[in-house]
Amino acid sequence: DTAVSQTPKYLVTQMGNDKSIKCEQNLGHDTMYWYKQDSKKFLKIMFSYNNKELIINETVPNRFSPKSPDKAHLNLHINSLELGDSAVYFCASSQDTVGTEAFFGQGTRLTVV
Amino acid sequence: AQSVSQHNHHVILSEAASLELGCNYSYGGTVNLFWYVQYPGQHLQLLLKYFSGDPLVKGIKGFEAEFIKSKFSFNLRKPSVQWSDTAEYFCAVKNRGNNRLAFGKGNQVVVIP
Repeated sequence: DTAVSQTPKYLVTQMGNDKSIKCEQNLGHDTMYWYKQDSKKFLKIMFSYNNKELIINETVPNRFSPKSPDKAHLNLHINSLELGDSAVYFCASSQDTVGTEAFFGQGTRLTVV
Repeated sequence: AQSVSQHNHHVILSEAASLELGCNYSYGGTVNLFWYVQYPGQHLQLLLKYFSGDPLVKGIKGFEAEFIKSKFSFNLRKPSVQWSDTAEYFCAVKNRGNNRLAFGKGNQVVVIP
């Protein structure tokens, strides 16, 4: 069973479109994250939710809106896609206790054309 | 603000050579420290972690890391690399205050057979 699953794995879309990426974790974790990995492999945190509440919101354009309907899900909606949004987006989850690591999904490769 | 530094972004070495990757962080509070590996085309996987106790931690696949609090460092080592160690390696620091998990820019390691 996949611990952290993201869909879709690949997403190709045109500029200006709106798209969503879904993430689900079956580990019972309290905290979920979204990261953006650019072409240079740099991992930048975008958002973090703890028990459905937003706790970290980095400098991310308003076009990106996370939604957490419950503790096991953290979806990412992107409006008016731009070329610079092309990247691999990783979802992750962790338990809110000392020493626990984050578990990552397989990533969603978003290509905006 | 919390930040993580990794130097020597590109590392090329031959099989059986020793590997050491540096990681420094700039947060004075309580942290948990991690090294993750990302094999080509895959998601991030945990190599090892430190949160308390013995500052020398051993991880999977023969990797180890040493936490030196006075130097804010958590360097990764492997005495003898294999071709299959070709991957991107990320150091990560978790701020225990707000669970923010920040990554360094990664080290791209290429092992030549």
